[in-house]
Amino acid sequence: DTAVSQTPKYLVTQMGNDKSIKCEQNLGHDTMYWYKQDSKKFLKIMFSYNNKELIINETVPNRFSPKSPDKAHLNLHINSLELGDSAVYFCASSSDTEAFFGQGTRLTVV
Amino acid sequence: GENVEQHPSTLSVQEGDSAVIKCTYSDSASNYFPWYKQELGKRPQLIIDIRSNVGEKKDQRIAVTLNKTAKHFSLHITETQPEDSAVYFCAASRASGTYKYIFGTGTRLKVLA
Repeated sequence: DTAVSQTPKYLVTQMGNDKSIKCEQNLGHDTMYWYKQDSKKFLKIMFSYNNKELIINETVPNRFSPKSPDKAHLNLHINSLELGDSAVYFCASSSDTEAFFGQGTRLTVV
Repeated sequence: GENVEQHPSTLSVQEGDSAVIKCTYSDSASNYFPWYKQELGKRPQLIIDIRSNVGEKKDQRIAVTLNKTAKHFSLHITETQPEDSAVYFCAASRASGTYKYIFGTGTRLKVLA
């Protein structure tokens, strides 16, 4: 059973398009995150949700809009995609300490 | 703002030697310090963690030390093996109400056979 799963694994799209990445966790965790990992492998937090409530928004452009329909799901919608959005996006969840990551979505904007 | 510095950015060691990766954090309220290993094309996975009420923790060939006064913590890998080759990330967070893990910039470890 996959603890944190995100889809799709790969996403190639043209500049200006709108796309979504979905994330689901079956661990019963209250907190979910989106992280962006760039080509230099830096892991930067984008958003954090606790019990469906947005807790952290780390100066992410408002083209990025997270949505948490319930505490097991956290989706990421991106409008008007730009070349600089190309990266690997990781969803994660945690309860108290350890964060569990999804397998990542490699987004390539061409 | 909160920041975690990690050194070195790359590290090459001979198989069987030890590897040490060091991190410094800025948020004095941080009390939970995990280390993640990320193999090529894979997700980051927890390998060891330490809470602020402990100075050292060991799990087989891996150990972590914490100096709260200096806001330093380090990962030590002994008897390195080729499968230890990966990118390692340190992180700092406040364990209760953990809404943010601040990650270090990563260390690419290469173990040479």
